[in-house]
Order: sequence, then C-alpha cells, then structure tokens
Amino acid sequence: AQSVTQLGSHVSVSEGALVLLRCNYSSSVPPYLFWYVQYPNQGLQLLLKYTSAATLVKGINGFEAEFKKSETSFHLTKPSAHMSDAAEYFCAVSDRNAGNMLTFGGGTRLMVKP
Amino acid sequence: NAGVTQTPKFRILKIGQSMTLQCTQDMNHNYMYWYRQDPGMGLKLIYYSVGAGITDKGEVPNGYNVSRSTTEDFPLRLELAAPSQTSVYFCASRWSGQNSYEQYFGPGTRLTVT
Repeated sequence: AQSVTQLGSHVSVSEGALVLLRCNYSSSVPPYLFWYVQYPNQGLQLLLKYTSAATLVKGINGFEAEFKKSETSFHLTKPSAHMSDAAEYFCAVSDRNAGNMLTFGGGTRLMVKP
Repeated sequence: NAGVTQTPKFRILKIGQSMTLQCTQDMNHNYMYWYRQDPGMGLKLIYYSVGAGITDKGEVPNGYNVSRSTTEDFPLRLELAAPSQTSVYFCASRWSGQNSYEQYFGPGTRLTVT
C-alpha cells in the first residue's frame, strides 16, 4: 500500500521568504508524484508532477519540487512567497495498479504574512 | 471546455435521506473518480471507473454506490445518509493515454447530514 506524509499541517512564512513544504512517500513501485493546490472553497488544481523524467520538476506560479529516491521525498519549494500563495497544498502519489488512483497526504495549509 | 462539473454545490440532508451527486466531464476522459475530503485528512477515494460500465471500490466505499453508463457522467449515490457522510465530495477525471497521469478535479459538493 502506498502512503504520503506531509510534515506540518500548517506552515507560516513572511512575504518574500522561501516556501518549503515537505512530502515523503512510500511506494512499492517507482511512483508518480503530484502537488496540488486548493484555494478556499475551490477544487484542486495541479501545481506540478513527477513521472520519472527529470528529478527537478518546475510547475506553475514559480513552484518546483525535487524527487529524491534515496530520501523518498518530493518537497515543494518556491524562492519567494507571495500573498496569493496562501492556500492548502496536497502531495499525492499515484497507484498504477488501481486505475492510477491518487493517495493524498493530509495537506499543509500555507499562510503568508505581510 | 467546461472541464469537470459537479452539482449541487451545497446540500443539507436529514439522516436516512438519499441523494445523488452529479459529475460530468467534457474532456472524453476514460477514468473518473470520487473522493471525499474531511478536515485535516486529505482526500480519500470512494469509487473509481476506468470506462463506461466498469466501476470499482476505493478506500472508503461503504454507504455509497456509483454507476457509469456513459463516458461523460459518473454519479455518486448516497443511500440512507448518515452524519459520518458530512464531507466535501470531489469528482475527478483523467485521460488514459500514456504519460498523462494527472487528474482534473471538479469544484466540489459540500454535503451536511443532520
């Protein structure tokens, strides 16, 4: 069974500071990994994905994530936070054996202080 | 394209009532999914479908039923609603082609059972 752990249910940063949201996964096969963002009262929007190509993946809105197999991690970063980045972020791993269902982490709420 | 649409946006049910949550996608995706989102718990898969006429259980299927008579529609049925089914429900879809693993989400249905 696959699982995803997001360390820190709430992260607070100042505007302009580095954003680092942590994600660790467990998977019995090479994984596909995703980061989604959810703004209040909205659905989930794909930020970026890793599908076994380049280990450093760039996404929308200046976010990027690095796949580290040795650490089973897929942390999300952004060099400089904007107020508009305040949202909930979900890391997910895809199970190829079950219709590519997604297993989600518990989410991290990012707060950006002015 | 409208993408993935869900109706209704909000609903309040009394215990024991039943209802159907509607989900439609216009992207000709074969794969469709139903998730529920509870606070601090991420999203959990209820049911999924890999094509018209084919459905399978996810992680938390009890108390729900689905059908998939067309590629576009994937309704979720709640029979005998219970307070434990109070949640936000998301429908998602995915193309089944190679190198296309991300899921596209609808805006959600917020359901309260009292």
